[in-house]
Amino acid sequence: DTGVSQNPRHKITKRGQNVTFRCDPISEHNRLYWYRQTLGQGPEFLTYFQNEAQLEKSRLLSDRFSAERPKGSFSTLEIQRTEQGDSAMYLCASSLASSSDPYEQYFGPGTRLTVT
Amino acid sequence: AQSVTQLDSQVPVFEEAPVELRCNYSSSVSVYLFWYVQYPNQGLQLLLKYLSGSTLVKGINGFEAEFNKSQTSFHLRKPSVHISDTAEYFCAVSGLSNDYKLSFGAGTTVTVRA
Repeated sequence: DTGVSQNPRHKITKRGQNVTFRCDPISEHNRLYWYRQTLGQGPEFLTYFQNEAQLEKSRLLSDRFSAERPKGSFSTLEIQRTEQGDSAMYLCASSLASSSDPYEQYFGPGTRLTVT
Repeated sequence: AQSVTQLDSQVPVFEEAPVELRCNYSSSVSVYLFWYVQYPNQGLQLLLKYLSGSTLVKGINGFEAEFNKSQTSFHLRKPSVHISDTAEYFCAVSGLSNDYKLSFGAGTTVTVRA
């Protein structure tokens, strides 16, 4: 078990460009969550998957954002036509919904996005 | 919906002194409560959680927290801090629904000085 990994760790992009982030959860975990953390704030829920199904999307997730989890393994989060307001840390977490403690989420180190 | 208020944004403390980080929550339903720690350039790590049972919860690294339903609080304490406890601490809440998603407070930065 190597924990949750995220790539890249840092991304600098120009306004208007598209970016994609990847999250690899703990292998047996069926739940995968995306959160966004802006400077001075706590993480905010964006969306989550159970296996390959995306079950909920926050109102924070505009139409420019899309997330996928093909085959219920890794997940990608894409932001199209980035804006400066998208600059944040994007965190991924995974959990096992069928376990005795489904509330325990394991977080990755995050991808820090800077939009110039 | 649930929300969390962390009453202190920054807490400076001397090494070996006690520390308390305050957390209040708001919810129309029963909740589960969590404290996470985030060290620089690392992901969030679970310190402790309250799901049910004893209202005094012990976690890792000598931390403990007490759930107070009447005051809707879940304050975190450590009797003697170390330099290595310098980090950001987040209180989080989850409603009793099967999405298990977390709502976080804004965080408290703890700086331990020698």
